[in-house]
Order: sequence, then structure tokens, then C-alpha cells
Amino acid sequence: KNQVEQSPQSLIILEGKNCTLQCNYTVSPFSNLRWYKQDTGRGPVSLTIMTFSENTKSNGRYTATLDADTKQSSLHITASQLSDSASYICVNDYKLSFGAGTTVTVRA
Amino acid sequence: IAGITQAPTSQILAAGRRMTLRCTQDMRHNAMYWYRQDLGLGLRLIHYSNTAGTTGKGEVPDGYSVSRANTDDFPLTLASAVPSQTSVYFCASSEDSNQPQHFGDGTRLSIL
Repeated sequence: KNQVEQSPQSLIILEGKNCTLQCNYTVSPFSNLRWYKQDTGRGPVSLTIMTFSENTKSNGRYTATLDADTKQSSLHITASQLSDSASYICVNDYKLSFGAGTTVTVRA
Repeated sequence: IAGITQAPTSQILAAGRRMTLRCTQDMRHNAMYWYRQDLGLGLRLIHYSNTAGTTGKGEVPDGYSVSRANTDDFPLTLASAVPSQTSVYFCASSEDSNQPQHFGDGTRLSIL
């Protein structure tokens, strides 16, 4: 069973709107929790890295949060753009466990 | 442009053949990784290397081998390919295990 579960599997949003992606992990403590963006046909690109003691980290319009008590993380995308269409992947550094990703489609 | 180069970009291979996927980085990163990505699943770690001269097994190492003779290169070898090894293979590197991983654009491998 994957130690990292992401939801939803996919979502469609209109350009300019916000959205929030969820990540639940089962194994802790961990050294880092990461979020990556993967464009179709490309390798993943790092968005954020949070240590166990951090509860929020921003990278431009991307904000990741972490609740170690509930073993949950979220990635919030603000004012979405067409270029945000991609798969977003959550990673628990414990044994480098990758979630299956959430596919985001931004429509004009 | 600095980064990770993977070759080939795609390959169709007959079952039973030997295949080596190449990965080269020019960032002088200590750590390198090989993953496979299958539809509906997260990336799964095959093998990794924390520094030149050392390698370790990941989640799905069976049927694969790696070597790390120098800092820049981290080839992945399938000794005798099987259809279940059909996948997209990604190589990555990082300065150390706490830093972001930088990924190549993958090798799409089909085993028939």
C-alpha cells in the first residue's frame, strides 16, 4: 500500500481560480515533505520542501502546508494560470515515497 | 544549460535483451537516483547513490543494476529485459538528501 495518498486524482479549474490539493501520509517522523510539479512528458520539478518543524512554505503562487498531527499536507494554487496545468506530486522523504499525483487542468 | 541528460529518450526492446539507460549530470551533485513511473502509480525508487563509488537498493531493485564510477554518470542496466519493465524511467540528482532533486526528462522504454 502506498504510504502517500493524494486527492483528488484530477481536477479542472477555470483560469484565475484557486484550488487546493491534498496529501495524506502514513509514516512519520520524516525528514522532509516535498511537492513537485510534473508537466506532461517532462521530469518533475521541485516546488517546495518542508521539514518536520515547518507548517507552511510558499513558492510564488504555490503554498504548501503541513499538519504533522494529522499527517496531512496540502498545496494551494492561487490565481491559477494555464501553465499550472500539470500533475502535482507529494513526496514523503521516508524511503522516498511518492504519491500518484493530482492532475490539474486549467481552462480559459 | 546545467542539468540532467538521459539517453535514449525512448526505446523499444525485445524481451531477453540487455539494455543500459544513460544518465549524466553536470551539477556536481553527490546523490543520484533512478525511478520508474507507471500509469496510476507514484514514482518508485529503483536504485540510488549517495556519492561516487557507493550504491543502494530502492523499493523495486530486482532486474536492475547500477554503477557509480564517477560523480557525473549513473547508468541503469537491465540485464535481461522483461515486459513488466515497460515504463518511463527517470534519473535525478541532488546536492545531498535534504536538497531538491533535479530530474531528467525520462526514457520511455517498451519491452515486447
